[in-house]
Amino acid sequence: TQLLEQSPQFLSIQEGENLTVYCNSSSVFSSLQWYRQEPGEGPVLLVTVVTGGEVKKLKRLTFQFGDARKDSSLHITAAQPGDTGLYLCAGGASRGNTGKLIFGQGTTLQVKP
Amino acid sequence: DTGVSQDPRHKITKRGQNVTFRCDPISEHNRLYWYRQTLGQGPEFLTYFQNEAQLEKSRLLSDRFSAERPKGSFSTLEIQRTEQGDSAMYLCASSLRTGVQETQYFGPGTRLLVL
Repeated sequence: TQLLEQSPQFLSIQEGENLTVYCNSSSVFSSLQWYRQEPGEGPVLLVTVVTGGEVKKLKRLTFQFGDARKDSSLHITAAQPGDTGLYLCAGGASRGNTGKLIFGQGTTLQVKP
Repeated sequence: DTGVSQDPRHKITKRGQNVTFRCDPISEHNRLYWYRQTLGQGPEFLTYFQNEAQLEKSRLLSDRFSAERPKGSFSTLEIQRTEQGDSAMYLCASSLRTGVQETQYFGPGTRLLVL
């Protein structure tokens, strides 16, 4: 069974601080997605990484896929209150035709003004 | 709006009642997924369809749960004899699988509360 462990589960920081969220597994994934979810809404895709060692940037957000495709990180620079939300990593199965995603338990981020 | 839509957004029911949720995927997406999310957790896969064929079901999907996608477009998820443990957010996602990679787009979810 493929599992994803996210850390930390909760993070409360001041506006302007930097933070990193980690997503780890003992399994290899074909791809890794990061989503952001607002209360009462569905997850919204931020980025997909597919190549080991890949780094993608989205404004103040930097995403990295581990060389072995077993882990990923999300780094936010100069966090803003608008970044508040639930951040989810999700892995795509490495074998077979299934597209189902395996999600981590999420990181709840609160950015205080 | 051409995104994934779900109906209803909220459902309150009494234990033992049946409920049905609907998902309308993005037009021309050939895959449709159902996930369940409880408070403080990430979504868990339930089942998925490619066109009208149900290709995989999770062990989480007990006999009380049934899903259909009769014409390869919208899908329904029915829960019979609801239990309090069924209370959760039920999320639908759709994707267009054309090669190895695909991107899933999620709907807003249906929040179910079983009293």
